[in-house]
Amino acid sequence: GAVVSQHPSWVICKSGTSVKIECRSLDFQATTMFWYRQFPKQSLMLMATSNEGSKATYEQGVEKDKFLINHASLTLSTLTVTSAHPEDSSFYICSASELAPHEQFFGPGTRLTVL
Amino acid sequence: AQTVTQSQPEMSVQEAETVTLSCTYDTSESDYYLFWYKQPPSRQMILVIRQEAYKQQNATENRFSVNFQKAAKSFSLKISDSQLGDAAMYFCAYYSGNQFYFGTGTSLTVIP
Repeated sequence: GAVVSQHPSWVICKSGTSVKIECRSLDFQATTMFWYRQFPKQSLMLMATSNEGSKATYEQGVEKDKFLINHASLTLSTLTVTSAHPEDSSFYICSASELAPHEQFFGPGTRLTVL
Repeated sequence: AQTVTQSQPEMSVQEAETVTLSCTYDTSESDYYLFWYKQPPSRQMILVIRQEAYKQQNATENRFSVNFQKAAKSFSLKISDSQLGDAAMYFCAYYSGNQFYFGTGTSLTVIP
């Protein structure tokens, strides 16, 4: 149980385009979802936290207009990188929790490359 | 502000031997959780072990155990009988109040 999927696993896009990444909880209802960014050989940085049906809470320094997060259902959250630029290239990881936020289940991550 | 420090960027261990990964953290909270996550080359984050701060007993999961020193704000991970599959990046993490903080990671190599 407690499986989280992400789609796509790898995406390449041109500079200036928008990219949507999906995060799904497959066998539980995710009341809270988290989005992280990980640069090569670096740690995970929390970008935002979203609760189903509510606006996401963004961490300091994360542009909310750049990284749009939607958590419309208990099994799906999306991260849209708008007007992507090469510096947005990174590994994006989502996680989800059902009852207790400290019990997070991680997705496999999405590698974004912006040309 | 809460911080998590892993002072060992890289560690190596001989197969079947024991290795300890260090982690210290800084917090003013009394109620929090500490974790060790494993990130293999696939980059899927895998929970290794979790410790609740209010529990004095050190958590154990099979070959993995922690040494939780609350006063010293230290949370080390001991891997016994190391296996080739243990080779990965290990992250120490802290959670409190809907905030997750990760350390910079320790890359563990297991030597056959």
